[in-house]
Order: sequence, then structure tokens, then C-alpha cells
Amino acid sequence: QVQLVQSGGEIKKPGASVKVSCKASGYTFASYSITWVRQAPGQGLEWMGWISTYNGNTRYAQKFQDRVTLTIDTSTGTSYMEVRGLRADDTAVYYCARGVLLVELDLWGQGTLVTVSS
Amino acid sequence: QAGLTQPPSVSEGLRQTATLTCTGNSDNVGNQGAAWLQQHQGHPPKLLSYTSNNRPSGISDRISASRSGNTASLTITALQPEDEADYYCAAWDSSLRSVVFGAGTKLTVL
Repeated sequence: QVQLVQSGGEIKKPGASVKVSCKASGYTFASYSITWVRQAPGQGLEWMGWISTYNGNTRYAQKFQDRVTLTIDTSTGTSYMEVRGLRADDTAVYYCARGVLLVELDLWGQGTLVTVSS
Repeated sequence: QAGLTQPPSVSEGLRQTATLTCTGNSDNVGNQGAAWLQQHQGHPPKLLSYTSNNRPSGISDRISASRSGNTASLTITALQPEDEADYYCAAWDSSLRSVVFGAGTKLTVL
């Protein structure tokens, strides 16, 4: 079955870090890049960044450049997204998605709710 | 960061046609087109249209996309209750070197 399965929800305190995983199955991992998108409660979609599953190259949205790191483990077909220095306004559902092109995201994970609260 | 402009809401009757718009500029929509996504409450987004305006496999032929200049459009014919959802456009912005999303349009089927 072609799918992306993300890790479970997290509750973090301000200033902490969170690392969310996204495991691909049912297709050749290196054939599609992985993009990360987040959605704050009641808000729209926000592009965070992209990682090539072929060579690990990354591109980040400017606002996340200093706080977010995307990585991959090709041996397990898993992508990871780490956010450091969490703030309350980082509370959101974080999605991973695969794509041939940066905006053509044809398979999405189920989403991971990250709640930042003291 | 600059995004794409979508109307917040559109309402059309059952079995009617809805056209959703997404306006950008020559750095994004006007340059490489836009993809369209549908999102039902509580679910991940679903790709409806590639930037080429072609549909992924399994997407209804009631859905079509087009572009004129800096504006992309998504047309849904013969509206059904299940079409009621939020719709987002997305494009690569060559100036920002980033993907930009529209704020989304909530489609209501009356």
C-alpha cells in the first residue's frame, strides 16, 4: 500500500525541540522528494521546506531557515523534521507529502499535531 | 511572505458549477502555474490538479484547472455535497525561492 505514515502527536514546552518522522512505503523512496507543510488550528497551509530523497539536498522557507532541519534515512525510507526553539505559535498539524515537483504533492501523511504549551 | 490570493468563500447550488480563482504574479502563477488541493475538515489535503492543469489518476473529470496570465482557476461542475471543502492553490515562487500557498477558499454547496 502506497502511504506515508507519520509519528504520533507531541506536547512540548516553549523552547523545547520536536522531531517528527514520516515513513514511506509501497513505492521507491528515492523517486519522490518529501515536502513538509504545517497548518495552525483553523488556518491555511504553510510550506516549511523540501528534501531530496535522492541526495539529501534541502530548501527551507525563509522563516524556518534557522529553526528547522529536514533529514532522511534512505535505509528505512523515512524523512524527519526537527523544529527547535518551539513557541506557542508553532502549535499546528505538521504534514509530510511526497512530490515529483515542489508543488505537486500527490501523497500526504496523516498529519502530526504538535502542541506547544507551558 | 507573499502568498497567493484566493476568495475566502464561494457558494453555489447543488449540481451547479463553481469556479475558484487564485491570483499571483509573474514570479509564481504566471511563471509556472499552480497546483490545486482539496481539504476536508480533519483530513490531509488531496491533490486535484498538477501545474500543467492535468488531473492525477482517480480525480473526477468534473474538476478542471486552467490559467490565464497570473490567475489560475479551478472549475468544478455538477456540484455534489462531497465537494464542500477547503481548496488551496500552490505555486513555486522564483523570486522567494519558496512554495507559496493561497489562504484557501471554503466552498459551500447549497
